[in-house]
Amino acid sequence: DVVMTQIPLSLSVTPGQPASISCKSSQSLLHSSGKTSLYWYLQKPGQSPQLLIYEVSSRFSGVPDRFSGSGSGTDFTLKISRVEAEDVGVYFCMQGRHLPLTFGGGTKVEIK
Amino acid sequence: EVQLVQSGAEVKKPGESLKISCKISGYSFTSYWIGWVRQMPGKGLEWMGIIYPGNSDIRYSPSFQGQVTISVDKSISTAYLQWSSLKASDTAMYYCARTHVEMATSFFDFWGQGTLVTASS
Repeated sequence: DVVMTQIPLSLSVTPGQPASISCKSSQSLLHSSGKTSLYWYLQKPGQSPQLLIYEVSSRFSGVPDRFSGSGSGTDFTLKISRVEAEDVGVYFCMQGRHLPLTFGGGTKVEIK
Repeated sequence: EVQLVQSGAEVKKPGESLKISCKISGYSFTSYWIGWVRQMPGKGLEWMGIIYPGNSDIRYSPSFQGQVTISVDKSISTAYLQWSSLKASDTAMYYCARTHVEMATSFFDFWGQGTLVTASS
């Protein structure tokens, strides 16, 4: 199975400040088609996960542009340019290249 | 509007059977795969399996193969996850999610609200 490793486990951020989460996969997520299968989800407290970023860097419908994704191969990053109170929750990366689909352990973001 | 509405919380005893559901609306049920994801208390997300309602093709995670059964009823646009004999370790929140399955990738876009399953004597 592809192991997804997220760093840090938790993050405490002052509103308006940036935040960054790293995700590393144990195998390349690049397909011969050129598509890289890395996704970011946010699970707000008491809610279901919601898709934020697909294929490394594309924002899903309705996701604010303060969220951005980058990376390639096995190393990926989610950045929040200016954290807002509504951004609290647990962020998960997920690889969709190889079955079984696997998630990172999650990064809990809280507001200072 | 895409909606996945799951059945309500369940409390069962170990050894009992259970079937939970996920009712889909807002898109063609037979055009997308449906996946199931487990979240144990205070833990991360685990992919259990996916089913294609168009032809009932199913892919299970090796971790869940033989432990659960995934099915659909096309006539009522509903997907199911069932256990024949629950264990205490099945206590978790279970999510269904619309799943895109392509040659190069698979991912979830819309999720249900979750069904909490508690298996306790």
